Amino acid sequence: QQQVKQSPQSLIVQKGGISIINCAYENTAFDYFPWYQQFPGKGPALLIAIRPDVSEKKEGRFTISFNKSAKQFSLHIMDSQPGDSATYFCAGYRGSTLGRLYFGRGTQLTVWP
Amino acid sequence: EPEVTQTPSHQVTQMGQEVILRCVPISNHLYFYWYRQILGQKVEFLVSFYNNEISEKSEIFDDQFSVERPDGSNFTLKIRSTKLEDSAMYFCASGQQGSYEQYFGPGTRLTVT
Repeated sequence: QQQVKQSPQSLIVQKGGISIINCAYENTAFDYFPWYQQFPGKGPALLIAIRPDVSEKKEGRFTISFNKSAKQFSLHIMDSQPGDSATYFCAGYRGSTLGRLYFGRGTQLTVWP
Repeated sequence: EPEVTQTPSHQVTQMGQEVILRCVPISNHLYFYWYRQILGQKVEFLVSFYNNEISEKSEIFDDQFSVERPDGSNFTLKIRSTKLEDSAMYFCASGQQGSYEQYFGPGTRLTVT
């Protein structure tokens, strides 16, 4: 059972453009939705996260948009830079248990200079 | 900035052998996790650990796996009899009590031959 579906699998964006990655979740018990950024050979690094009582969260060039009724959320990277080239994972988490993050399959973002 | 560390960075072992993967979580964190990532696939939860006991484990975490916090700083994952399909990157993560945020280490690449 795929609890979190992520698309696209890969994304190529021109420098300065907007990168958009979408996720959909199935489990309505999720109450925390983080995005992780992973560079080759490194572990996932927490980038930004949102709770379902908020429709949008912005941190610098990164914005999460959240649609609770559609069970969807997305990551927007404004003014994309070559240094943003990485794999991005969305995830869902149930606070009632100590534990598991359910990750999406990841999106490999390439930003061309 | 404090970070999760893992050793070794790469472990090669023969099928049937036991391996121990080591992690040093962030010092004031009390929640500990292991995840794995098979090459090209999503990050999958294995186990969470708090107060010296397992809080939750996934269907992947069978009797061949065990975790331990042998002292005040280390957190280990043991695989008793490795299989070819155990080849993956294993990530340790830690989090503060009461927080949903999980911070990942750089991973140990396990290759079973």
